[in-house]
Amino acid sequence: DTEVTQTPKHLVMGMTNKKSLKCEQHMGHRAMYWYKQKAKKPPELMFVYSYEKLSINESVPSRFSPECPNSSLLNLHLHALQPEDSALYLCASSQGMVRDSGNTIYFGEGSWLTVV
Amino acid sequence: EDKVVQSPLSLVVHEGDTVTLNCSYEVTNFRSLLWYKQEKKAPTFLFMLTSSGIEKKSGRLSSILDKKELFSILNITATQTGDSAIYLCAVEARTSGTYKYIFGTGTRLKVLA
Repeated sequence: DTEVTQTPKHLVMGMTNKKSLKCEQHMGHRAMYWYKQKAKKPPELMFVYSYEKLSINESVPSRFSPECPNSSLLNLHLHALQPEDSALYLCASSQGMVRDSGNTIYFGEGSWLTVV
Repeated sequence: EDKVVQSPLSLVVHEGDTVTLNCSYEVTNFRSLLWYKQEKKAPTFLFMLTSSGIEKKSGRLSSILDKKELFSILNITATQTGDSAIYLCAVEARTSGTYKYIFGTGTRLKVLA
């Protein structure tokens, strides 16, 4: 099973709303990622969690707040977003640092976010 | 600064043609290079390459890595309309003690019937 599950698939929110995106994997992966992808652009890394600790924050604005409650779950809390934050948000996971020979990163289906 | 560059940016071919997509990279602490196909949803995994000169093959798709010249190619033979997609190259590199994946800009392939 190489499945990363994301919910919701679609989300429309106002600029004053608070919402969350959720991601789950049961592959025993120890690294989890949030990417943002705008139309016709490649995925841009936002956050990396390694062994449930935030290890990379790519200078993401504080209106995006990640959380890793346990090794299988990754959330992205959203508050006071701007219309330009509308994008596809992709969660991904990989084995992490346990292997020396490289890891495959597996993506979820993504959450389409529209900020109005 | 780490970077991954893909070429061409877009390509239009006819069914049955063979295409070669390129990915070059400059990163510190390279660990692997991955190819993905993205249609309307999330990227789907194609290949992971870690060693130079060893071709990975899956049906009509194949890929090879050159770690000396810092590039990889993805070949698609006998293209079909279902191959139309964006092909993404990602390089796994280590930074601040953690591995992350740096994506190229992608190559948009359109295969005409």
